[in-house]
Amino acid sequence: QVQLVQSGAEVKRPGASVKVSCQASGYIFTTHSIHWVRQAPGQRVEWMGRLNPVNDNTQYSQKFQGRVTITRTTSASTAYMELSSLTSEDTAMYYCATRGDYGDFDYWGQGTLVTVSS
Amino acid sequence: QAVVTQEPSLTVSPGGAVTLTCGSSTGPVTSGHYPYWFQQKPGQAPRTLISDTTNKQSWTPARFSGSLLGGKAALTLSGAQPEDEAEYYCLLYYSGARVFGGGTKLTVL
Repeated sequence: QVQLVQSGAEVKRPGASVKVSCQASGYIFTTHSIHWVRQAPGQRVEWMGRLNPVNDNTQYSQKFQGRVTITRTTSASTAYMELSSLTSEDTAMYYCATRGDYGDFDYWGQGTLVTVSS
Repeated sequence: QAVVTQEPSLTVSPGGAVTLTCGSSTGPVTSGHYPYWFQQKPGQAPRTLISDTTNKQSWTPARFSGSLLGGKAALTLSGAQPEDEAEYYCLLYYSGARVFGGGTKLTVL
């Protein structure tokens, strides 16, 4: 059974960085890309980027380019999303997602709430 | 970055049919955009309904279908149920990057 388990909620000051983890189980970690998606309260869903664990290839949304970094630790089957220079507009639920038998977003983590507040 | 557009809101009667659309600022949506459709209910993560234009997931009710229609991706719901009231998002592929639409709030009333 595929599972993605994310790290817990975070509270950060403006200007700080946050690093959210996503531990995968139930499949071979290097076989599927991990995507990161976020949703601010009452707002649309936003695609942030993805990592291909096979070759470390990453692709980022233009909106977050320069502020987001997605990495992985294969031995721990864990992907990470780090977002820097936080502002109150980065207060959101952050999700990781990966491929199943049907598509690239079949499995989702439980979400990590990041709150940016002074 | 491309802008993906959806109807902000739609209403359908129970048992009725409705089509949600997904357009791209770069031109017609094609199968090369690999359109996805997601359903999201309050407090939950999005859930994939359709991948790659027409492919249903195992959990997707048969009343949902995906297609390309008039230069847009389309999600058709035939025989709406009260539990279909939700936010629906489309997602398009642009040379590796993905962009979500703004979402359509579907009311079953």
